[in-house]
Amino acid sequence: NAGVTQTPKFQVLKTGQSMTLQCAQDMNHNSMYWYRQDPGMGLRLIYYSASEGTTDKGEVPNGYNVSRLNKREFSLRLESAAPSQTSVYFCASRGDRVGTEAFFGQGTRLTVV
Amino acid sequence: AQTVTQSQPEMSVQEAETVTLSCTYDTSESDYYLFWYKQPPSRQMILVIRQEAYKQQNATENRFSVNFQKAAKSFSLKISDSQLGDAAMYFCAYRRGGATNKLIFGTGTLLAVQP
Repeated sequence: NAGVTQTPKFQVLKTGQSMTLQCAQDMNHNSMYWYRQDPGMGLRLIYYSASEGTTDKGEVPNGYNVSRLNKREFSLRLESAAPSQTSVYFCASRGDRVGTEAFFGQGTRLTVV
Repeated sequence: AQTVTQSQPEMSVQEAETVTLSCTYDTSESDYYLFWYKQPPSRQMILVIRQEAYKQQNATENRFSVNFQKAAKSFSLKISDSQLGDAAMYFCAYRRGGATNKLIFGTGTLLAVQP
């Protein structure tokens, strides 16, 4: 039972570099999310996707792009990394059944130097 | 906009004692769900307990229970018989009813359990 799988688990980038965080779920969920977690700020929503082919901005979308490649995969791209994007990133997915919980990946710790 | 507030950045409890973590939220919706998630040092987000707003009865899961006060918009978590493994960051979260709505998190409470 893989659930939600994120890669990589750790990454160090130089300012201005680009990278893509990968997320895949095997639970046949329609909704997928990207959050960032910063000390004292909880988890803040970056982007979400209600279904394959749709994406919407969350609370803190600036500096990020996303792709819902298919129902399983939802990637987050940093085009030109900045130190302010140093954070822990979580991918999550959720089924459509009323009241169902969100399942989270194990997170990616990203450091931008 | 909906907001979730956790006013206790850190809490401490003795092993085997009871502790209550506070959470308040702001919404004008009538259909919503509330959650408590636990995040141990491993970073994994683990669902502890869930409450549907339309249910008057407080949710309970083993040693974990909530005090849901809908009129006051309060949703506290009580941990009974605290164990060392309960030490973690705890997040309160809100989600409006509907298939696509996202979770909104509070800033978290770091719980330490003293042996």
